[in-house]
Amino acid sequence: DARVTQTPRHKVTEMGQEVTMRCQPILGHNTVFWYRQTMMQGLELLAYFRNRAPLDDSGMPKDRFSAEMPDATLATLKIQPSEPRDSAVYFCASGLTWTSGDYEQFFGPGTRLTVL
Amino acid sequence: ELKVEQNPLFLSMQEGKNYTIYCNYSTTSDRLYWYRQDPGKSLESLFVLLSNGAVKQEGRLMASLDTKARLSTLHITAAVHDLSATYFCAVELFGNEKLTFGTGTRLTIIP
Repeated sequence: DARVTQTPRHKVTEMGQEVTMRCQPILGHNTVFWYRQTMMQGLELLAYFRNRAPLDDSGMPKDRFSAEMPDATLATLKIQPSEPRDSAVYFCASGLTWTSGDYEQFFGPGTRLTVL
Repeated sequence: ELKVEQNPLFLSMQEGKNYTIYCNYSTTSDRLYWYRQDPGKSLESLFVLLSNGAVKQEGRLMASLDTKARLSTLHITAAVHDLSATYFCAVELFGNEKLTFGTGTRLTIIP
């Protein structure tokens, strides 16, 4: 049963600390996304990779957030330094664009981040 | 900028009743997705609607897409408690794989 995995599932940290979240996309998927979910803002797209290349990170605060895909099986989202307003659930999603044009995105379980 | 609006935001309904959730979007798109999210859980893909007039059904849920009206509906038939969740629609612009999500509809089914 292929699924997107994320670690850690929960993270509590203090303001100013570095936070790294990891995602393993479904094997063979060529697109990876990072979303943030909060009560106030809903689901926001932070970053988007296709074939490991970053295509769009316009939704991400550039001064403190960074997203990378060091290889096809790992995507990372880093926050440095973290702030209380970064408290949210961070979802990773992956998908595969078929030659037919069909596409579907599958979400990981999320990382619940609390910054004190 | 693409905007996706859902209504209602909250819906409380009795078991056995029918209801519809609406999803309007601001820019032409041929692809629309519906997801379900249980409290504290991830998003589960329900339907992918790829063309105008597309209709898909799974159990008591039926989704449809009218690209000319920029409207999708998620219809619930004879609701049961297990359908209580938050439902999101998401729109993809011209096959670029990026999804813009609606605000979500929190559905509560009352026995």
